[in-house]
Amino acid sequence: DTEVTQTPKHLVMGMTNKKSLKCEQHMGHRAMYWYKQKAKKPPELMFVYSYEKLSINESVPSRFSPECPNSSLLNLHLHALQPEDSALYLCASSHGPNQPQHFGDGTRLSIL
Amino acid sequence: DQQVKQNSPSLSVQEGRISILNCDYTNSMFDYFLWYKKYPAEGPTFLISISSIKDKNEDGRFTVFLNKSAKHLSLHIVPSQPGDSAVYFCAASENTDKLIFGTGTRLQVFP
Repeated sequence: DTEVTQTPKHLVMGMTNKKSLKCEQHMGHRAMYWYKQKAKKPPELMFVYSYEKLSINESVPSRFSPECPNSSLLNLHLHALQPEDSALYLCASSHGPNQPQHFGDGTRLSIL
Repeated sequence: DQQVKQNSPSLSVQEGRISILNCDYTNSMFDYFLWYKKYPAEGPTFLISISSIKDKNEDGRFTVFLNKSAKHLSLHIVPSQPGDSAVYFCAASENTDKLIFGTGTRLQVFP
């Protein structure tokens, strides 16, 4: 059982579509994260929200737009994605630096 | 520039024996290290962590050792069980929210 819930589990979209990935945690964590993982590669950090404010953006293209509506929710809005954006998108949360990050099971995204 | 490296892409161990997974890093400013296990179609699961002020941390069958002078950490699993078969990632951070992951080692535990 994971305490970080991500929806949907799978998503197939065309390059002109707009979709959103959702993440929810109820562990009282103050930090939430988006990672991207390609096949046979490690997770790579995309964004960090700390106390609902964007604190780290790892130079991610603007076609990915994060949003943190409240301390429990994190969204990733997708628009005009490219085929190379196909990957597993992982959400995580933690109490902060030097604390374990807890991951959801991810959304498997395929861009046609 | 891969700051965290796991040089063994795979490891095969017999059930009941010890599994030793290794990780090397280049950034001397890293002060917090973690190990994660990942099954297919699931997210990484946190196993154990260690602060740079320690050289060993133990939790049940899992022990992490840190050698700061060598910039090396290892995860020992004893005894190994078939359910331990997964990909293991080490990760490190510099007292920030940013985790840098290693490339992963696939562990297979056979009967």
